[in-house]
Amino acid sequence: AQSVTQLDSHVSVSEGTPVLLRCNYSSSYSPSLFWYVQHPNKGLQLLLKYTSAATLVKGINGFEAEFKKSETSFHLTKPSAHMSDAAEYFCVVTVGDTGNQFYFGTGTSLTVIP
Amino acid sequence: GAGVSQSPSNKVTEKGKDVELRCDPISGHTALYWYRQSLGQGLEFLIYFQGNSAPDKSGLPSDRFSAERTGGSVSTLTIQRTQQEDSAVYLCASSPRGGGNNEQFFGPGTRLTVL
Repeated sequence: AQSVTQLDSHVSVSEGTPVLLRCNYSSSYSPSLFWYVQHPNKGLQLLLKYTSAATLVKGINGFEAEFKKSETSFHLTKPSAHMSDAAEYFCVVTVGDTGNQFYFGTGTSLTVIP
Repeated sequence: GAGVSQSPSNKVTEKGKDVELRCDPISGHTALYWYRQSLGQGLEFLIYFQGNSAPDKSGLPSDRFSAERTGGSVSTLTIQRTQQEDSAVYLCASSPRGGGNNEQFFGPGTRLTVL
């Protein structure tokens, strides 16, 4: 079975400080992992994805995530938060290239304080 | 180019009525997904279409829910005899092809409120 756990429902950071959004996954097979972002009143947008290539994945807007199999984690980071990063972030797992079902975490709401 | 579109953007209905939600995927995308997003919850998978293959309906919560995809393009999600617990945002996504390595492109969603 596949599932993801986003460890924080809400994260608050000051502008210019690092961002860490935590995600742990469970998968019976080699997983594909994604981070999506949802800005208010906008559709979900892909930030980055891991599909068994490099374990450190770089995405859009300066975000990156590292796949750590030993820790079953896929935490999302950014060195310096910007006001425009305030949004809801979802970690997603599926089963490799054959996966039909994408399992979403419950989301982490990021607030950026000026 | 045009993204995934959904209509209506908002739907308010009375308990017991049927509703139809529409999704227009990106042209040429063979895979189409429906999800439900309830308040404070992640996205819940409902159904998946891939080309001409039989859809994966394993996420539909009850037999009141059904979906079809005509001509490999537009999809309609139908909820019969709506209940208050059906209130949620229903999201549609399409992908150039199915499979777990491929990005899904999401529509803006339909917010359904059942009174």
